[in-house]
Amino acid sequence: DIQMTQSPSSLSASVGDRVTITCRASQSISNYVNWFQKKPGKAPKLLIYAASNLQSGVRSRFSGSGSGTDFTLTISSLQPEDIATYYCQQTYTAPRTFGQGTRVEI
Amino acid sequence: QVQLVQSGAEVKEPGASVKVSCKASGYSFANYGLSWVRQAPGQGLEWLGWISGYNGNTIYGQRYRGRVTMTTDTSTTTANMELRSLRFDDTAIYFCARDSGIYHVLDNWGQGTLVTVSS
Repeated sequence: DIQMTQSPSSLSASVGDRVTITCRASQSISNYVNWFQKKPGKAPKLLIYAASNLQSGVRSRFSGSGSGTDFTLTISSLQPEDIATYYCQQTYTAPRTFGQGTRVEI
Repeated sequence: QVQLVQSGAEVKEPGASVKVSCKASGYSFANYGLSWVRQAPGQGLEWLGWISGYNGNTIYGQRYRGRVTMTTDTSTTTANMELRSLRFDDTAIYFCARDSGIYHVLDNWGQGTLVTVSS
């Protein structure tokens, strides 16, 4: 199975800060990475697909980059409503594994 | 608009089976797959498997192979996930999600179904 290792596991930042979350795959997966936001009591929400494509309706302060084994989710200016846990997922091959999550606090 | 509506919460004893349904609407069911994902209390997201809305082909996570069966009913545009031989650590919220395109993008999600395994 492909392992997806996220870092950090949690972070605390201020409103307006630039926040970067990384995800490293255990083998090359091209750009087969999607990013999700998960809030308690809610279903996950797709933010970024195919590593760098912003899902329709998602705020432009979210962006993604990377290819191969290293991927990044960036929030350009952290807002209070961005408090959540963020997950990467590889869809290069089954099982389509998730990273362990990054908890973002203010 | 795309909607995935899941069945209600379940409480089961260890060793029992549970079946969670996911009613899809607002899109062409046969043109997409559905993935199932779960989240145990305090844990991260875990992918269980995928089923084609077109022909019912499945891919199961190895960890669940032999215990899980995913099916679809195209006449009612409903997907079902049955998990057998339940254990305490199967207690989780189970989500269905529409699975789109070659990147298997989970772009629309059900509201989640809490399955509690308790004696």
